[in-house]
Amino acid sequence: QSVLTQPPSVSAAPGQKVTISCSGSSSNIGNNYVSWYRQLPGTAPKLLIYDDNERPLGIPDRFSGSKSDTSATLGITGLQTGDEADYYCGTWDSSVSAVVFGGGTKVTVL
Amino acid sequence: QVQLQQWGAGLLKPSETLSLTCAVHGGSFSDYYWNWIRQPPGKGLEWIGEIHHSGSTNYNPSLKSRVTISVDRSRNQFSLKVTSVTAADTAVFYCTKRRPYHYDMDVWGQGTTVTVSS
Repeated sequence: QSVLTQPPSVSAAPGQKVTISCSGSSSNIGNNYVSWYRQLPGTAPKLLIYDDNERPLGIPDRFSGSKSDTSATLGITGLQTGDEADYYCGTWDSSVSAVVFGGGTKVTVL
Repeated sequence: QVQLQQWGAGLLKPSETLSLTCAVHGGSFSDYYWNWIRQPPGKGLEWIGEIHHSGSTNYNPSLKSRVTISVDRSRNQFSLKVTSVTAADTAVFYCTKRRPYHYDMDVWGQGTTVTVSS
């Protein structure tokens, strides 16, 4: 049981947009920055979004992050077959004094 | 540009001690926090803990009693030990880099698969 809650899967056709939600509480998302990661099959996760909505160098603007109260959202526009992967949200949780992650969301391109 | 290279024993028996090491190449070893994260087969990510160049550590309370993270400043390396492993510790282990005051992991090692089996 993950501290942060994500939908197990989302899907859309190529070129469309998907959003992935990440729900938490005041001890984590509500008072700390959220980051998002993409994990392609058999590889290490890669940072997509940090500080709620910032993109590291090299990450295209098709990826965006937002946050409201105790929930965060990752958006992916112009969906490509190469976007098929597992996506995780993460943040610090002050009640458990640990970095916590969501359970992951599998994105399928139809 | 920081790169992380990790290694360690991949097959353990129950009750043995897991030992992994991560080498930091490029960048400043002293400016960041160095973390360990694991991922059981088919499951999500679990943060294990971290260490700073100074030696200060922070562990996940759920694993704290069995985990030790140490640093070798002379070699720009940090290590993970987990004692009394069981099958539940079977996972891919990743070393990562974190910036101060931020809790995102911006650099990851390639991962090491550790299997615990009798």
